[in-house]
Amino acid sequence: EAQVTQNPRYLITVTGKKLTVTCSQNMNHEYMSWYRQDPGLGLRQIYYSMNVEVTDKGDVPEGYKVSRKEKRNFPLILESPSPNQTSLYFCASSLGGGNGNTIYFGEGSWLTVV
Amino acid sequence: GDSVTQMEGPVTLSEEAFLTINCTYTATGYPSLFWYVQYPGEGLQLLLKATKADDKGSNKGFEATYRKETTSFHLEKGSVQVSDSAVYFCALSDVSNTGKLIFGQGTTLQVKP
Repeated sequence: EAQVTQNPRYLITVTGKKLTVTCSQNMNHEYMSWYRQDPGLGLRQIYYSMNVEVTDKGDVPEGYKVSRKEKRNFPLILESPSPNQTSLYFCASSLGGGNGNTIYFGEGSWLTVV
Repeated sequence: GDSVTQMEGPVTLSEEAFLTINCTYTATGYPSLFWYVQYPGEGLQLLLKATKADDKGSNKGFEATYRKETTSFHLEKGSVQVSDSAVYFCALSDVSNTGKLIFGQGTTLQVKP
């Protein structure tokens, strides 16, 4: 089954404790990205990757890092989480980055930073 | 910059009622338009899409038509069911090669029996 898989789905952590949210897709997609969803704001892109070793900032990259060492994986790293990073995070992938490509989303990761 | 505006929610309807969720956009170029749905406790699922003006996307009884003249992509369904209760997001694709979607703020739909 074609899917985007994120882990963990739920996490409560403390301020400053580094964490990584993993993302994996099995569709051989070139493009992967991370979004955060906040009430009243919809989803906003954090980082995206056009291919292995190619990443770039989205609209809200501050406080996050990413890496793309393999085509299927695109982990999101919070080096020093803060309470304002409490949010619902989605990983997404698509065949290409061009207009009209369907973007597939994971099930989301609820992150609470206390 | 590009943006998407959706009608404020929540929207509460009785079963079998007609649904319209308004969505308007501002964009340079010719973006594709999407509706995504998020059922309680689940991730985002693509509901339908349209890639050019006057295209109609449809799925599961939902429809939306890409109206360039009014920059709109309103979601409609003739008869909603309780199982349609969810959050609906309108989105457009950034025409640059970033694979980015620009989302509206989401509209919560609650359908009562």
